[in-house]
Amino acid sequence: EDKVVQSPLSLVVHEGDTVTLNCSYEVTNFRSLLWYKQEKKAPTFLFMLTSSGIEKKSGRLSSILDKKELFSILNITATQTGDSAVYLCAVEAIQGAQKLVFGQGTRLTINP
Amino acid sequence: NAGVTQTPKFRILKIGQSMTLQCTQDMNHNYMYWYRQDPGMGLKLIYYSVGAGITDKGEVPNGYNVSRSTTEDFPLRLELAAPSQTSVYFCASSYRTVFLQGTDTQYFGPGTRLTVL
Repeated sequence: EDKVVQSPLSLVVHEGDTVTLNCSYEVTNFRSLLWYKQEKKAPTFLFMLTSSGIEKKSGRLSSILDKKELFSILNITATQTGDSAVYLCAVEAIQGAQKLVFGQGTRLTINP
Repeated sequence: NAGVTQTPKFRILKIGQSMTLQCTQDMNHNYMYWYRQDPGMGLKLIYYSVGAGITDKGEVPNGYNVSRSTTEDFPLRLELAAPSQTSVYFCASSYRTVFLQGTDTQYFGPGTRLTVL
């Protein structure tokens, strides 16, 4: 059975800190790994990773994938209160329908 | 573009009642999905569709039904509501080419919060 595990489940830091969120996976026929940010409602897309070792960056957020060790990390530098959210990791196996398996999420709280 | 829209936003059902959660997308996406998210958990796939007239089960399909008569609409039906179906339901859509090139991300609707008492 395909499985995605995120850690930590919850994290509280002060504004300006740097955080690293972890995602490990076991999936047959890996295709891609995706990171989403979920505030109060729908998840919004952050990154899609398909190749090992290639960092994706968007402002203060970055992510990298290790297909040998089966994990990904999401880094947020110089955190702001607006970064407070649940961060979801999802993995897609090679199938026709982009069926995603989600981890349970990491709840990140940034205190001023 | 409205993207993915869902109705209703909230609903309370009694055990044994039925209802349909509506989902519409205006992005001409061929793939559509229904997920449920229980408190403190990630999303679990209920059903998905790769095009009009084609649907298939996801991870947790029991107690639900879907149909896809048009590209835009993908309603989710609960026939006999149970307390275990209390959850937030998200509809999503994406575009995939026939040869699975140009993978696109899934775009999510705002969700429907359902409580079964």
